[in-house]
Amino acid sequence: DAGVTQSPTHLIKTRGQQVTLRCSPKSGHDTVSWYQQALGQGPQFIFQYYEEEERQRGNFPDRFSGHQFPNYSSELNVNALLLGDSALYLCASSSYRVNEQFFGPGTRLTVL
Amino acid sequence: RKEVEQDPGPFNVPEGATVAFNCTYSNSASQSFFWYRQDCRKEPKLLMSVYSSGNEDGRFTAQLNRASQYISLLIRDSKLSDSATYLCAVTFFGNEKLTFGTGTRLTIIP
Repeated sequence: DAGVTQSPTHLIKTRGQQVTLRCSPKSGHDTVSWYQQALGQGPQFIFQYYEEEERQRGNFPDRFSGHQFPNYSSELNVNALLLGDSALYLCASSSYRVNEQFFGPGTRLTVL
Repeated sequence: RKEVEQDPGPFNVPEGATVAFNCTYSNSASQSFFWYRQDCRKEPKLLMSVYSSGNEDGRFTAQLNRASQYISLLIRDSKLSDSATYLCAVTFFGNEKLTFGTGTRLTIIP
Protein backbone atom coordinates (compact mmCIF):
# COMPACT_ATOMS: atom_id res chain seq x y z
CA ASP A 1 0.00 0.00 0.00
CA ALA A 2 1.74 3.15 -1.22
CA GLY A 3 1.89 6.02 1.20
CA VAL A 4 1.77 9.69 0.30
CA THR A 5 4.18 10.58 -2.48
CA GLN A 6 5.52 13.98 -3.47
CA SER A 7 7.65 15.27 -6.31
CA PRO A 8 10.16 16.64 -6.78
CA THR A 9 12.27 15.94 -3.70
CA HIS A 10 14.35 19.08 -4.03
CA LEU A 11 14.02 22.21 -6.11
CA ILE A 12 16.12 25.31 -6.56
CA LYS A 13 14.54 28.42 -8.05
CA THR A 14 15.37 32.10 -8.29
CA ARG A 15 13.31 35.02 -7.06
CA GLY A 16 10.35 35.84 -9.28
CA GLN A 17 10.07 32.37 -10.77
CA GLN A 18 7.10 30.07 -10.46
CA VAL A 19 7.05 26.52 -9.09
CA THR A 20 4.66 23.57 -9.15
CA LEU A 21 4.82 20.81 -6.54
CA ARG A 22 2.91 17.56 -6.82
CA CYS A 23 1.33 15.14 -4.36
CA SER A 24 -0.42 11.78 -4.59
CA PRO A 25 -2.42 10.82 -1.52
CA LYS A 26 -2.40 7.51 0.28
CA SER A 27 -4.65 4.88 -1.26
CA GLY A 28 -8.22 5.31 -0.01
CA HIS A 29 -7.77 8.96 0.96
CA ASP A 30 -9.67 11.74 -0.79
CA THR A 31 -8.43 14.89 0.96
CA VAL A 32 -5.11 16.65 0.49
CA SER A 33 -3.70 19.39 2.71
CA TRP A 34 -0.56 21.40 2.04
CA TYR A 35 1.77 22.77 4.70
CA GLN A 36 4.89 24.92 4.68
CA GLN A 37 7.58 24.20 7.24
CA ALA A 38 10.37 26.71 7.78
CA LEU A 39 13.53 25.65 9.59
CA GLY A 40 12.95 25.27 13.33
CA GLN A 41 9.20 25.78 13.06
CA GLY A 42 6.15 23.56 13.00
CA PRO A 43 4.31 23.07 9.71
CA GLN A 44 1.99 25.94 8.76
CA PHE A 45 -1.30 25.15 6.98
CA ILE A 46 -1.59 26.53 3.44
CA PHE A 47 -4.85 25.01 2.17
CA GLN A 48 -6.91 21.85 1.90
CA TYR A 49 -8.57 20.26 -1.13
CA TYR A 50 -11.52 17.92 -1.22
CA GLU A 51 -13.71 17.05 -4.23
CA GLU A 52 -11.45 19.19 -6.39
CA GLU A 53 -12.29 22.32 -4.41
CA GLU A 54 -10.31 24.39 -1.93
CA ARG A 55 -12.14 23.82 1.35
CA GLN A 56 -10.00 25.80 3.77
CA ARG A 57 -7.14 28.24 3.47
CA GLY A 58 -4.50 29.43 5.90
CA ASN A 59 -2.84 32.85 6.05
CA PHE A 60 -0.96 32.64 2.78
CA PRO A 61 -1.08 35.17 -0.06
CA ASP A 62 -2.78 34.54 -3.39
CA ARG A 63 0.61 33.71 -4.88
CA PHE A 64 -0.05 30.27 -3.41
CA SER A 65 -2.64 28.35 -5.36
CA GLY A 66 -3.56 24.75 -5.81
CA HIS A 67 -5.55 22.20 -7.63
CA GLN A 68 -6.94 18.75 -7.01
CA PHE A 69 -7.53 16.27 -9.80
CA PRO A 70 -10.29 13.65 -10.13
CA ASN A 71 -7.84 10.96 -8.97
CA TYR A 72 -7.35 12.98 -5.73
CA SER A 73 -3.78 13.97 -6.53
CA SER A 74 -2.95 17.61 -6.02
CA GLU A 75 -0.61 20.39 -7.10
CA LEU A 76 0.66 23.40 -5.21
CA ASN A 77 1.69 26.39 -7.31
CA VAL A 78 3.67 29.34 -6.03
CA ASN A 79 4.12 32.40 -8.24
CA ALA A 80 6.59 35.28 -7.97
CA LEU A 81 8.84 33.39 -5.59
CA LEU A 82 10.41 35.26 -2.69
CA LEU A 83 13.47 34.33 -0.67
CA GLY A 84 11.13 33.72 2.27
CA ASP A 85 9.35 30.96 0.37
CA SER A 86 12.35 28.71 0.94
CA ALA A 87 11.02 25.88 3.09
CA LEU A 88 9.95 22.25 3.21
CA TYR A 89 6.55 21.86 1.56
CA LEU A 90 4.56 18.98 2.96
CA CYS A 91 1.49 17.31 1.58
CA ALA A 92 -0.79 15.42 3.95
CA SER A 93 -3.58 13.08 2.97
CA SER A 94 -6.65 12.02 4.92
CA SER A 95 -10.22 10.89 4.52
CA TYR A 96 -12.62 13.82 4.63
CA ARG A 97 -13.82 14.62 8.17
CA VAL A 98 -11.31 12.18 9.66
CA ASN A 99 -8.65 14.31 11.25
CA GLU A 100 -5.72 11.90 11.12
CA GLN A 101 -3.43 13.24 8.44
CA PHE A 102 -0.44 11.39 7.00
CA PHE A 103 2.44 13.29 5.49
CA GLY A 104 4.49 12.72 2.39
CA PRO A 105 8.28 13.10 2.37
CA GLY A 106 8.06 16.74 1.34
CA THR A 107 9.64 18.93 -1.30
CA ARG A 108 12.52 21.08 -0.15
CA LEU A 109 12.36 24.39 -2.05
CA THR A 110 15.29 26.77 -2.07
CA VAL A 111 14.81 30.24 -3.55
CA LEU A 112 18.00 32.10 -4.44
CA ARG B 1 -0.37 34.22 22.43
CA LYS B 2 0.35 31.34 20.08
CA GLU B 3 -2.48 28.89 19.45
CA VAL B 4 -0.30 25.89 20.29
CA GLU B 5 2.83 26.16 22.43
CA GLN B 6 5.59 23.70 23.21
CA ASP B 7 8.86 23.95 25.10
CA PRO B 8 11.42 23.79 22.26
CA GLY B 9 14.00 22.05 24.46
CA PRO B 10 16.40 20.54 23.74
CA PHE B 11 15.76 17.75 26.20
CA ASN B 12 18.88 15.61 26.68
CA VAL B 13 17.88 12.44 28.47
CA PRO B 14 19.89 9.31 29.35
CA GLU B 15 18.87 6.06 27.74
CA GLY B 16 16.32 4.18 29.83
CA ALA B 17 14.94 7.28 31.50
CA THR B 18 11.36 8.53 31.40
CA VAL B 19 10.67 11.85 29.73
CA ALA B 20 7.49 13.89 29.47
CA PHE B 21 6.49 16.78 27.22
CA ASN B 22 3.57 19.13 27.53
CA CYS B 23 1.81 21.11 24.86
CA THR B 24 -0.67 23.87 25.66
CA TYR B 25 -3.41 25.16 23.39
CA SER B 26 -5.30 28.42 23.65
CA ASN B 27 -8.60 27.66 21.94
CA SER B 28 -11.07 25.91 24.22
CA ALA B 29 -13.00 24.76 21.13
CA SER B 30 -10.12 22.49 20.22
CA GLN B 31 -11.45 19.16 19.06
CA SER B 32 -8.73 16.68 18.15
CA PHE B 33 -5.18 16.31 19.35
CA PHE B 34 -2.15 14.54 17.96
CA TRP B 35 1.51 13.85 18.60
CA TYR B 36 3.82 13.61 15.59
CA ARG B 37 7.46 12.58 15.52
CA GLN B 38 9.80 14.26 13.05
CA ASP B 39 13.33 13.10 12.34
CA CYS B 40 15.87 15.55 10.98
CA ARG B 41 14.98 16.65 7.43
CA LYS B 42 12.13 14.13 7.23
CA GLU B 43 8.37 14.41 7.27
CA PRO B 44 6.30 14.33 10.47
CA LYS B 45 5.02 10.86 11.24
CA LEU B 46 1.83 10.38 13.25
CA LEU B 47 2.80 8.92 16.61
CA MET B 48 -0.51 9.00 18.45
CA SER B 49 -3.94 10.52 18.41
CA VAL B 50 -4.87 11.76 21.89
CA TYR B 51 -8.25 10.77 23.27
CA SER B 52 -10.13 12.23 26.21
CA SER B 53 -9.55 9.10 28.25
CA GLY B 54 -5.85 9.07 27.49
CA ASN B 55 -4.20 6.35 25.49
CA GLU B 56 -1.13 4.19 25.58
CA ASP B 57 0.91 2.53 22.86
CA GLY B 58 3.78 0.50 24.21
CA ARG B 59 6.23 2.85 25.89
CA PHE B 60 4.25 5.92 24.90
CA THR B 61 1.34 7.42 26.85
CA ALA B 62 -0.66 10.46 25.79
CA GLN B 63 -3.00 12.41 28.06
CA LEU B 64 -5.47 15.23 27.47
CA ASN B 65 -6.38 17.78 30.15
CA ARG B 66 -9.22 19.90 28.79
CA ALA B 67 -9.63 21.93 31.99
CA SER B 68 -6.05 23.19 31.83
CA GLN B 69 -5.90 23.01 28.03
CA TYR B 70 -2.84 20.89 27.55
CA ILE B 71 -1.83 17.52 26.18
CA SER B 72 1.13 15.49 27.33
CA LEU B 73 3.34 12.75 25.97
CA LEU B 74 5.22 10.38 28.25
CA ILE B 75 7.99 8.15 26.95
CA ARG B 76 9.14 5.36 29.26
CA ASP B 77 12.38 3.38 29.02
CA SER B 78 13.67 5.75 26.34
CA LYS B 79 15.73 4.34 23.48
CA LEU B 80 18.39 5.97 21.34
CA SER B 81 15.95 5.68 18.43
CA ASP B 82 13.51 7.98 20.25
CA SER B 83 15.79 10.94 19.47
CA ALA B 84 13.69 13.23 17.28
CA THR B 85 11.55 16.36 17.37
CA TYR B 86 8.08 15.80 18.81
CA LEU B 87 5.33 18.01 17.42
CA CYS B 88 1.90 18.41 18.91
CA ALA B 89 -1.00 19.33 16.65
CA VAL B 90 -4.56 20.44 17.30
CA THR B 91 -7.68 20.86 15.22
CA PHE B 92 -10.47 23.20 16.21
CA PHE B 93 -14.17 22.48 15.99
CA GLY B 94 -15.44 22.69 12.41
CA ASN B 95 -11.96 23.14 11.00
CA GLU B 96 -9.86 20.22 9.87
CA LYS B 97 -6.54 22.02 9.49
CA LEU B 98 -3.79 20.94 11.85
CA THR B 99 -2.26 23.71 13.94
CA PHE B 100 1.19 22.70 15.13
CA GLY B 101 3.46 23.74 17.92
CA THR B 102 7.08 24.49 17.12
CA GLY B 103 8.17 21.06 18.35
CA THR B 104 10.28 19.77 21.23
CA ARG B 105 13.68 18.37 20.39
CA LEU B 106 14.63 15.22 22.29
CA THR B 107 18.08 13.64 22.33
CA ILE B 108 18.60 10.32 24.09
CA ILE B 109 22.15 10.00 25.40
CA PRO B 110 23.83 6.55 25.60
